[in-house]
Amino acid sequence: GAVVSQHPSWVICKSGTSVKIECRSLDFQATTMFWYRQFPKQSLMLMATSNEGSKATYEQGVEKDKFLINHASLTLSTLTVTSAHPEDSSFYICSARVTGELFFGEGSRLTVL
Amino acid sequence: AQRVTQPEKLLSVFKGAPVELKCNYSYSGSPELFWYVQYSRQRLQLLLRHISRESIKGFTADLNKGETSFHLKKPFAQEEDSAMYYCALHTGGFKTIFGAGTRLFVKA
Repeated sequence: GAVVSQHPSWVICKSGTSVKIECRSLDFQATTMFWYRQFPKQSLMLMATSNEGSKATYEQGVEKDKFLINHASLTLSTLTVTSAHPEDSSFYICSARVTGELFFGEGSRLTVL
Repeated sequence: AQRVTQPEKLLSVFKGAPVELKCNYSYSGSPELFWYVQYSRQRLQLLLRHISRESIKGFTADLNKGETSFHLKKPFAQEEDSAMYYCALHTGGFKTIFGAGTRLFVKA
């Protein structure tokens, strides 16, 4: 199956700083990747769809300026949480769809102090 | 409205007992439904999809368009089945809508 890798697995940062999370497709090319946010004991919430070479499509209620998404190549999408605040602390998961099936990264846990 | 409902947050059964994880959906188009599973300390992964109509790890799920359901079933639960299960609906526009998830706990 397709392999999606996220980095870092966990990160702790101070309030007001920015954090970048990388999502890579290791053995396939992904023109589209999806970024999800998962709150404790809750479901996955789609934040945005990352499109290679073009702007990301954000879901309603997700701040574009807060969550910057860049998909500069067919194997890399990045999510940057800008001016992070404690309420941004969460588990962020990226995924890509291959022949209809979603393949997920291992997730990145962000803790903002 | 597009929605996936998993009414049970937690389901606890004894080993060897039958298990059914419920999933209902709301979608005006032709649904494409999936079950994803997340074992402890592992990433989310596909368990099965309704198109393939196959049994994976003893689990089956039948799409019932009349009842708008896609319940996941296994006749004899095993301890290794303990995990978080998500029902998901792929919409025509690339989006995937997830249910809230059901945590299955299989007791010895």
